[in-house]
Amino acid sequence: ETGVTQSPTHLIKTRGQQVTLRCSSQSGHNTVSWYQQALGQGPQFIFQYYREEENGRGNFPPRFSGLQFPNYSSELNVNALELDDSALYLCASSPPQGMSTEAFFGQGTRLTVV
Amino acid sequence: SQQGEEDPQALSIQEGENATMNCSYKTSINNLQWYRQNSGRGLVHLILIRSNEREKHSGRLRVTLDTSKKSSSLLITASRAADTASYFCATDSGGYQKVTFGTGTKLQVIP
Repeated sequence: ETGVTQSPTHLIKTRGQQVTLRCSSQSGHNTVSWYQQALGQGPQFIFQYYREEENGRGNFPPRFSGLQFPNYSSELNVNALELDDSALYLCASSPPQGMSTEAFFGQGTRLTVV
Repeated sequence: SQQGEEDPQALSIQEGENATMNCSYKTSINNLQWYRQNSGRGLVHLILIRSNEREKHSGRLRVTLDTSKKSSSLLITASRAADTASYFCATDSGGYQKVTFGTGTKLQVIP
């Protein structure tokens, strides 16, 4: 157990809808990163939040957005869902910069878009 | 896009044998990490090797890093059925701690 929890574990949405995924980071970790993992692929970096601000973004369109709260928990929002958004969404939390760069992952949210 | 590529894509061995997976990457890095993923669940951190290190051990795991060749290998000795999983290398090139994953090696250990 890493101490990083994600909810929900599974979700089915219809194309065009919006979805919000949630992540509680490990205690003491102020950095949260989100990844999308398509079936049979490695995780792809979506974005990272540090102290409530976006601190880096991968090659994902603006309909992927996020938030980080004062307690360092985070949300990933995806608007106008497309079939290709079906994937496992992983959240990872990291200690403050300057410490280990090891990331601790949650179990993921499996999103299916139909 | 993926920074690294693992080789082989899939590996099947008998319990007790050693398993070796390789990772190649494209740009300079601060460190390289190996993760394990069971059945499409969350990733578990195995080991981190820094760019100024050449070899690191952790239990039955041995990781090597060759920055001149931009490659790393993960050796699992005396494999067990419980080692069956996908293994990913992940590189950290600094900046905002973005970790970039490779494509993964799917390991099957047959009892």
